[in-house]
Amino acid sequence: QVQLQESGPGLVKPSGTLSLTCAVSGGSISSSNWWSWVRQPPGKGLEWIGEIYHSGSTNYNPSLKSRVTISVDKSKNQFSLKLSSVTAADTAVYYCASPCSGWYGDYYYYYMDVWGKGTTVTVSS
Amino acid sequence: QSVLTQPPSVSAAPGQKVTISCSGSSSNIGNNYVSWYQQLPGTAPKLLIYENNKRPSGIPDRFSGSKSGTSATLGITGLQTGDEADYYCGTWDSSLSALFGGGTKLTVL
Repeated sequence: QVQLQESGPGLVKPSGTLSLTCAVSGGSISSSNWWSWVRQPPGKGLEWIGEIYHSGSTNYNPSLKSRVTISVDKSKNQFSLKLSSVTAADTAVYYCASPCSGWYGDYYYYYMDVWGKGTTVTVSS
Repeated sequence: QSVLTQPPSVSAAPGQKVTISCSGSSSNIGNNYVSWYQQLPGTAPKLLIYENNKRPSGIPDRFSGSKSGTSATLGITGLQTGDEADYYCGTWDSSLSALFGGGTKLTVL
């Protein structure tokens, strides 16, 4: 079973760039998987940030697209998130996750079956 | 404001049954499968149901899922105090993004 572990600074200054990494263990990042980021502001619900395929193809949440970059580093078996121009509204627990996705009959399935434990990022001066 | 609408909270007594609804549209639930997640306090979400009604290995059959049109429902029978958690529905959207519901807090009285 693949395991995921987030890492990165816990404090980022307003207008700065949030940078996080997710280390993949127990499997190869080059397997037939997408790799995604999800966040959860304090006391609020889950928000999908985006995903990347090992080939480099990406999909992003339209509401965050202008500020988000997700990349993959095959040599280190990890993928990363960069979120620019952060404000206090970007304070959240950030999770990396491994979604299962594809077509089954006429419908598309998409669900996260593996999650990291999450890392808290606070935006404050 | 989430695109997928869930009730903020539900409650029931131990041993009883509860249902949690998730309402969307034809661009998401109506044309894609639905998943459900359980999030215990201070922990990462855990997959409970995928492809509308399938349970991952290790999830008891007290948890069930269904979908009709643009809505989905999570059912939990034989409620236990350990089921107290936040529950989220999820699906894919035609905007090429994943969606989560706003979450429902389950209280076992």
